Amino acid sequence: DAGITQSPRYKITETGRQVTLMCHQTWSHSYMFWYRQDLGHGLRLIYYSAAADITDKGEVPDGYVVSRSKTENFPLTLESATRSQTSVYFCASIGTLDTEAFFGQGTRLTVV
Amino acid sequence: AQSVSQHNHHVILSEAASLELGCNYSYGGTVNLFWYVQYPGQHLQLLLKYFSGDPLVKGIKGFEAEFIKSKFSFNLRKPSVQWSDTAEYFCAVNIDSWGKLQFGAGTQVVVTP
Repeated sequence: DAGITQSPRYKITETGRQVTLMCHQTWSHSYMFWYRQDLGHGLRLIYYSAAADITDKGEVPDGYVVSRSKTENFPLTLESATRSQTSVYFCASIGTLDTEAFFGQGTRLTVV
Repeated sequence: AQSVSQHNHHVILSEAASLELGCNYSYGGTVNLFWYVQYPGQHLQLLLKYFSGDPLVKGIKGFEAEFIKSKFSFNLRKPSVQWSDTAEYFCAVNIDSWGKLQFGAGTQVVVTP
């Protein structure tokens, strides 16, 4: 199906474990983003990418790593999960800068 | 640092009432402005956007927003809400050439039958 999909939709992990959240888009959009949504903070940018192999930090990058070897995929890895990383994570993409961002369904991550 | 402020965190109103949600941003240059809606358990969907031109923007589902540059505001309005408008509403601003968005904290709107 066309669009932007995230997996898994729900994840429970233990403190200290590595976990990877997947994001896949079928539009060949150049720009991709990871946001986290926390009550009272809205959405905050973790990392973004302007193209394959071009990534940069956003507002809250600590504890996260991204890669973009292919245009359509933008995985987010928590290297050693902490309870403060319990959140809902949204992936988004933009085709060109004169259009809006499209968001995935989100991944609800709980770190216990 | 740039910021986006949404004045109301929680709004409760009855069906057919009018809705206005405030949004102010703190960037003095050219901005692209958005309102997104998140229905319970769902992802963010675009309600409307402003890039240039007419400062009164019409969106989906009867929503509109007005960009007032002198006030750094982009307030969202709907003349008559429905129960199905119960959702969280986010104002967002794009100020750079990378498409990054700065979001407000969101406003939870509850419409009672």
